[in-house]
Amino acid sequence: GQNIDQPTEMTATEGAIVQINCTYQTSGFNGLFWYQQHAGEAPTFLSYNVLDGLEEKGRFSSFLSRSKGYSYLLLKELQMKDSASYLCAVRDADSGYALNFGKGTSLLVTP
Amino acid sequence: DAMVIQNPRYQVTQFGKPVTLSCSQTLNHNVMYWYQQKSSQAPKLLFHYYDKDFNNEADTPDNFQSRRPNTSFCFLDIRSPGLGDAAMYLCATSRAQGASGELFFGEGSRLTVL
Repeated sequence: GQNIDQPTEMTATEGAIVQINCTYQTSGFNGLFWYQQHAGEAPTFLSYNVLDGLEEKGRFSSFLSRSKGYSYLLLKELQMKDSASYLCAVRDADSGYALNFGKGTSLLVTP
Repeated sequence: DAMVIQNPRYQVTQFGKPVTLSCSQTLNHNVMYWYQQKSSQAPKLLFHYYDKDFNNEADTPDNFQSRRPNTSFCFLDIRSPGLGDAAMYLCATSRAQGASGELFFGEGSRLTVL
């Protein structure tokens, strides 16, 4: 099994940068994913890390440290449409191909 | 174009009245998943199929069953819905080989139990 922890809520200002942290405990790590979910909609894939380091994709970057069981999602140049829930998910050897999700961080972007 | 399609988007049922939710995919992915998501909670994996190989999570109630008649379709059957089964049900697919194996989600079926 896994423990996946992330903050429940965050607020940031339009144009700013925000970092959403995720910590996890797993027995056989096999990848960490970040998904964005707007209210009432399905999650959409943002990023994937399996090796340590930073993956950059446009305004979004994701970092992984396997030894620390830690990841963060970095959102730059925040826009109002970035207000959503951000879900951290882990795949491990026990879960096969399935992902186990954290509860998500609800991000509110204010003008 | 939608690649993972769930029907219906909204389902209202009565306590104890069976419900079937459907999922179809055009991605030809060999893995299909059903997740349950309650308000402000994490999506919870119910079960998944690797091709026709069914994998049930240990804590998935017997009330929940699934069928996958072919690669493209997967069904979630709730035999006797209780009030606690009201939730969003998310279908997802992934390709087992190559790349990250990211999950592609449908738009979900929101179940209300009266």
